[in-house]
Amino acid sequence: GESVGLHLPTLSVQEGDNSIINCAYSNSASDYFIWYKQESGKGPQFIIDIRSNMDKRQGQRVTVLLNKTVKHLSLQIAATQPGDSAVYFCAEYEAGTALIFGKGTTLSVSS
Amino acid sequence: KAGVTQTPRYLIKTRGQQVTLSCSPISGHRSVSWYQQTPGQGLQFLFEYFSETQRNKGNFPGRFSGRQFSNSRSEMNVSTLELGDSALYLCASSLDRGLNEQFFGPGTRLTVL
Repeated sequence: GESVGLHLPTLSVQEGDNSIINCAYSNSASDYFIWYKQESGKGPQFIIDIRSNMDKRQGQRVTVLLNKTVKHLSLQIAATQPGDSAVYFCAEYEAGTALIFGKGTTLSVSS
Repeated sequence: KAGVTQTPRYLIKTRGQQVTLSCSPISGHRSVSWYQQTPGQGLQFLFEYFSETQRNKGNFPGRFSGRQFSNSRSEMNVSTLELGDSALYLCASSLDRGLNEQFFGPGTRLTVL
């Protein structure tokens, strides 16, 4: 089956930097995308979502960009903090099917 | 509002045994989905339940089954456990089916010896 992938398994940044986590998806019929954050010992936590009729969506310190032409999704975290250290997953959803997750990117923030 | 709860949090079983995991969704949520998370395969969809009916099923053998009760609580069962079933099993609930945010529980860590 088709799946969502991530470009980098790990990303290391300095506190205060902006972080960009990328994700490529393969199902052009996917119409809903979500970014999750998972800390050690916890379940995934919703960060932000975007529907396929949008290109950009902003939250608190986070921005998700969707490029449907190249089937690419990115999560931008502004002024990264040590508390942002976690594994980040993108997930795609096509109506009537199930949420498909990528492998995840481990973000490490050093102070 | 209480979040998604899963019991037990940790479980150790031996090969050949069976196990039942429980999930209580957020109050008012009617859709429950189950996922298996392993280091090698990541998060993989197991099944989704809505209104006590399985609506979607992932690519897992028939040893994996589930059900949902009238109060939306859900259980999943794995029979004839194999070493490869060792994983974190996550439950997620959402208000409805479709394009809705899913809220995850903390998971049940299953170890098969």
